[in-house]
Amino acid sequence: DGGITQSPKYLFRKEGQNVTLSCEQNLNHDAMYWYRQDPGQGLRLIYYSQIVNDFQKGDIAEGYSVSREKKESFPLTVTSAQKNPTAFYLCASSISARASPGYTFGSGTRLTVV
Amino acid sequence: DQQVKQNSPSLSVQEGRISILNCDYTNSMFDYFLWYKKYPAEGPTFLISISSIKDKNEDGRFTVFLNKSAKHLSLHIVPSQPGDSAVYFCAALPFNFGNEKLTFGTGTRLTIIP
Repeated sequence: DGGITQSPKYLFRKEGQNVTLSCEQNLNHDAMYWYRQDPGQGLRLIYYSQIVNDFQKGDIAEGYSVSREKKESFPLTVTSAQKNPTAFYLCASSISARASPGYTFGSGTRLTVV
Repeated sequence: DQQVKQNSPSLSVQEGRISILNCDYTNSMFDYFLWYKKYPAEGPTFLISISSIKDKNEDGRFTVFLNKSAKHLSLHIVPSQPGDSAVYFCAALPFNFGNEKLTFGTGTRLTIIP
């Protein structure tokens, strides 16, 4: 079954630590995206990648970094520079946003700073 | 600057009645719109989409209406069922070629009352 897998489902980070969230897809999608969900703020775009070895900043990229070395994988690192990292993080992939289903989302990772 | 707005954070509807969720946008470059449904601790799933060349699109119990002059779209669910209780996001895509970044609204939490 094709799909997009995010791991871990829950992640706890101490202040000052970097953490990496995994996102893997076997849908053969070229484009991948990272969004962050906060209460009352909807989904905000952190980074996106339309092809391997290329990625672009989204609206709230500060304190985050990504890599796209393989088509299947788009890991997100939350660095210690991210001032408010506690949130629900969603990864998505797409062949075309104009063709159903637009984006296919993973099940998310909840990151909590302790 | 919130380009896609869902002004009702929550909505409660009796089971069997019609649910109407609203979405407004400010960017006249948007020409394709999608609705996603999200359960807690899960990723959003695609519901229905509409292109700006149409003013209505139907899929089973779900209908999306687009009023381009008012920059407004709405999602109608009829009849509403308990499993429809979720957060609904509208999303918009601009027509410039190669731009596949979806802009999401803040979401409306729909509760269906049995």
